Amino acid sequence: SAVISQKPSRDICQRGTSLTIQCQVDSQVTMMFWYRQQPGQSLTLIATANQGSEATYESGFVIDKFPISRPNLTFSTLTVSNMSPEDSSIYLCSVVKESSYNEQFFGPGTRLTVL
Amino acid sequence: AQKVTQAQTEISVVEKEDVTLDCVYETRDTTYYLFWYKQPPSGELVFLIRRNSFDEQNEISGRYSWNFQKSTSSFNFTITASQVVDSAVYFCALSEAFKGAQKLVFGQGTRLTINP
Repeated sequence: SAVISQKPSRDICQRGTSLTIQCQVDSQVTMMFWYRQQPGQSLTLIATANQGSEATYESGFVIDKFPISRPNLTFSTLTVSNMSPEDSSIYLCSVVKESSYNEQFFGPGTRLTVL
Repeated sequence: AQKVTQAQTEISVVEKEDVTLDCVYETRDTTYYLFWYKQPPSGELVFLIRRNSFDEQNEISGRYSWNFQKSTSSFNFTITASQVVDSAVYFCALSEAFKGAQKLVFGQGTRLTINP
């Protein structure tokens, strides 16, 4: 498995501000992803964080709103920009390790509330 | 397009009862992976099982068992002798096999409440 930590674990933010969420893994991983889980809803993939290059975004998500960085094989950040109450969600980082290619492990999530 | 349907939004049972969570999927791929995850109130997602499309053997792990039926495109999850600690939201998910566990498509989840 993989030990994944996310910071912050939760935050309450004001409309119009931005928040950067960090994801740290205890070992090098092949793939890193960011998901959003809106209240009472399922998980939706935001993007694949690519090491050393621009992230690959899913339909409905854009880089200006959710800029992502992945400077190395164990760390990634997701920024939620110009927040509105509709951005209130749990944001989860997940990873796939080359040694366990068919298993995706999730971080503890960041619970964001936008007022 | 791939789709996962968990028709049961919420289930509530009394402790020690058996409970089955349904999962029906749609895919045009001949090879794919199916997953179950548990999300307790704390919010983290806990991996429970992965099954590939070529392996239709049912699996049992303690009180948990999974029934994979390709003929009906279902991958149901049964908890035997349920316990209060089983209370959580359970998600079924699907991915294309050649991508391993990448790009998971999740069902809407089933909220399971086990009452003492």
